Amino acid sequence: GQSLEQPSEVTAVEGAIVQINCTYQTSGFYGLSWYQQHDGGAPTFLSYNALDGLEETGRFSSFLSRSDSYGYLLLQELQMKDSASYFCAVREGGNNRLAFGKGNQVVVIP
Amino acid sequence: NAGVTQTPKFQVLKTGQSMTLQCAQDMNHNSMYWYRQDPGMGLRLIYYSASEGTTDKGEVPNGYNVSRLNKREFSLRLESAAPSQTSVYFCASARTGNTGELFFGEGSRLTVL
Repeated sequence: GQSLEQPSEVTAVEGAIVQINCTYQTSGFYGLSWYQQHDGGAPTFLSYNALDGLEETGRFSSFLSRSDSYGYLLLQELQMKDSASYFCAVREGGNNRLAFGKGNQVVVIP
Repeated sequence: NAGVTQTPKFQVLKTGQSMTLQCAQDMNHNSMYWYRQDPGMGLRLIYYSASEGTTDKGEVPNGYNVSRLNKREFSLRLESAAPSQTSVYFCASARTGNTGELFFGEGSRLTVL
């Protein structure tokens, strides 16, 4: 089985840095993905880590430690448009079958 | 390029009624998925199809059936809707390979009274 733990809500000012953590327990682990979802919208892919370490994509970075069953998403230089929910998702096997966490809402204020 | 298209976008049903949610993708992806999203619950996998002609149960398959009609289309059917199936349903697709990347449709908002 699997379980993914994510904190629920974070409020931060424009220009700040926010780190969203994800711990997981799963019987099979192949990688950790991150998704963004604006209110009423579809989830959109941000990043994927299969190996330990940091992946950087513009203002967003994602980190994975397989030995600690832990990952995080780092949002830098926050903008108002970054106000959204962020989900981690464990890839449990082939065919990109993903199990999602409950999500973390980020609210960016001026 | 439309990506993943779901219909209908909104639907209200009475308990016991049946309906089918349609999903089509134009990206030539092999894998397709149906998720449901409830407040505070994240996305939960209902069924998925690794390729045309195959389907497998996900985390919450009870009360649902699926059909992978061809490579482009993957439908989700509720035979006898229940209030517990009130949710937002997302269809997704993925290309072959271990990318961790799903492409989602805009969602179908279903209310069962």
